[in-house]
Formats: sequence, C-alpha cells, structure tokens
Amino acid sequence: DTAVSQTPKYLVTQMGNDKSIKCEQNLGHDTMYWYKQDSKKFLKIMFSYNNKELIINETVPNRFSPKSPDKAHLNLHINSLELGDSAVYFCASSQELAGQLNSPLHFGNGTRLTVT
Amino acid sequence: ELKVEQNPLFLSMQEGKNYTIYCNYSTTSDRLYWYRQDPGKSLESLFVLLSNGAVKQEGRLMASLDTKARLSTLHITAAVHDLSATYFCAVQGGNQFYFGTGTSLTVIP
Repeated sequence: DTAVSQTPKYLVTQMGNDKSIKCEQNLGHDTMYWYKQDSKKFLKIMFSYNNKELIINETVPNRFSPKSPDKAHLNLHINSLELGDSAVYFCASSQELAGQLNSPLHFGNGTRLTVT
Repeated sequence: ELKVEQNPLFLSMQEGKNYTIYCNYSTTSDRLYWYRQDPGKSLESLFVLLSNGAVKQEGRLMASLDTKARLSTLHITAAVHDLSATYFCAVQGGNQFYFGTGTSLTVIP
C-alpha cells in the first residue's frame, strides 16, 4: 500500500550512460515532482507536473527529461550521465486543494544515483 | 525564486534541553511546512502551517508561523535521542515547494 514508490532504490552507472528512474503514486494526487538532494542534503526542485502543465526549472540541464504517461506516473530520464549527477533523487506528490493550496508533499523513498 | 534559509545548519544538544530552529523566507507566503528526514530515509511531513499566528504541537515539537516577519520556528522541548534527524522547512510558492537548507539535529545522551 505504498503511497509514492520509486525504482530503483540504488543506481550505479558509468559516465555517459542513459538511465531512467520510475515513480508511481496511488494517492490520486494531481501534482508530482522530482527533487534532487545533494551530498549536503540540500533539496532542489527539478520539475513539477500536473494535469495541466509541466514546469521546468531552468537550472536543470536539458539532459534531464521528465515523462508522465498519466497523472499517477512521473518518470525521470537522464541522458549522458555526468559525475555531478550523483545524488539522491526524490519523487513526491501533492494534491491541489481549494484556494491554490496544496496538501503536504508525500515523498518516495528516494533513488541513490552514483555515477562513476 | 523564493529563498528559504534555516539556522542553525547543525545542532548538537543534550537530552532534556530546549532549543529552537529558525526558518526565514524571502517572499510573501502563508503556507509553510516542516519535514523530518532520518539518515538514508525519505522525508516525513510533521506540520502544516497555513495562516499567520498558526501554532501546531506534536509531542516535544512545536511549530509556529509569523507571516509578517516571514519566519517560522520549530521548538524542541526536553530533547530525547529519538529526535535526532534532519529537519526541513518548506514554503509553498504557486504549486511549488521551496525547501530550506535543513538543520541536522543530534541529541546527545
């Protein structure tokens, strides 16, 4: 009955490879997100996506591309991986409520990406 | 871009002591959230503060929000070892959530 699940939990790969991380939520939420957490635990929004639009953070390299086949899934594809991409990537979801209010974020367990 | 700052970044405190973590943010918002992250784990929602003067309490933790000062506090009362974790505040801007730098709390027996 996991609310937000992401796979894989660990991902070790070499520079230059292409990889994907999958995320699914069964909460019926409208909005999903990808966050990157670096080694200093700083959390940075990468993308948010809801039924209406994909919001792209301009500081995210275009090697990163989110793909959402439906509102319960938001996958993250990364091309030409670099050493600096090593981090923990968290998927999250929230529900849009009345008055532009969102419920708290519900996070997945994270994917620890290591690029060698 | 909305900026969120927390202090201190690191906090080491003895069991039984009280302390406060501060969260300042740069633009107007009346929606603030506190999260807890245990090492190697995901983030867990602790509090949702939705209006000026809001105060929420759960066990030894109490959170408050002053939207005029753009400040939220997380007060720890009589700390116990189980509270050791990293605490994040997050401010909602539009439908995005902007996180503070986190406060890594270690409670020493």
